[in-house]
Amino acid sequence: NAGVTQTPKFQVLKTGQSMTLQCAQDMNHNSMYWYRQDPGMGLRLIYYSASEGTTDKGEVPNGYNVSRLNKREFSLRLESAAPSQTSVYFCASSGKNYGYTFGSGTRLTVV
Amino acid sequence: AQSVSQHNHHVILSEAASLELGCNYSYGGTVNLFWYVQYPGQHLQLLLKYFSGDPLVKGIKGFEAEFIKSKFSFNLRKPSVQWSDTAEYFCAVTAGNQGGKLIFGQGTELSVKP
Repeated sequence: NAGVTQTPKFQVLKTGQSMTLQCAQDMNHNSMYWYRQDPGMGLRLIYYSASEGTTDKGEVPNGYNVSRLNKREFSLRLESAAPSQTSVYFCASSGKNYGYTFGSGTRLTVV
Repeated sequence: AQSVSQHNHHVILSEAASLELGCNYSYGGTVNLFWYVQYPGQHLQLLLKYFSGDPLVKGIKGFEAEFIKSKFSFNLRKPSVQWSDTAEYFCAVTAGNQGGKLIFGQGTELSVKP
């Protein structure tokens, strides 16, 4: 089925560990996004990529890095995880007419 | 910077009651407006969107929203809610000069009592 695929779905990290969240879309969308969702705060944009080869900071980029590997894939890396990064992470992509598609999310716990 | 504000954090209604969820945004230029729903344990689903034209937009599951440019508002309405509407609702905006970034409000949790 066409859409946005995120891996893993769940992850527990210890403080200081690193990990990469993977995201891939098969809709030929130019733009891709990473959000985090926290109770009472909605979804906040971490990083986005308007097109292959470009990335830009969103509202809450500190502690994260991203890579737009190709048009399909956009990964999010936590170099040194902190408890404040415990959250649900959503990847999204958009094409013409701002048709956004969201992945099913990654629930990350940092202990 | 562009922002979105949802007035109600948690709304509790009985079945068949009418619903209106408030959403205001801060941006003076052209905007595209969205309402998303997130059912428990699931990802976001699009309810409706407004780009231009008729300011009264109809979406899925009987929801509608009205864009009032002078009030910078895009409130979500449903005449008669059902227990299955229990979910979290998010208003979101993209602005013309923001490169397509979707900025979300804080969300409103709706609980519908059977």
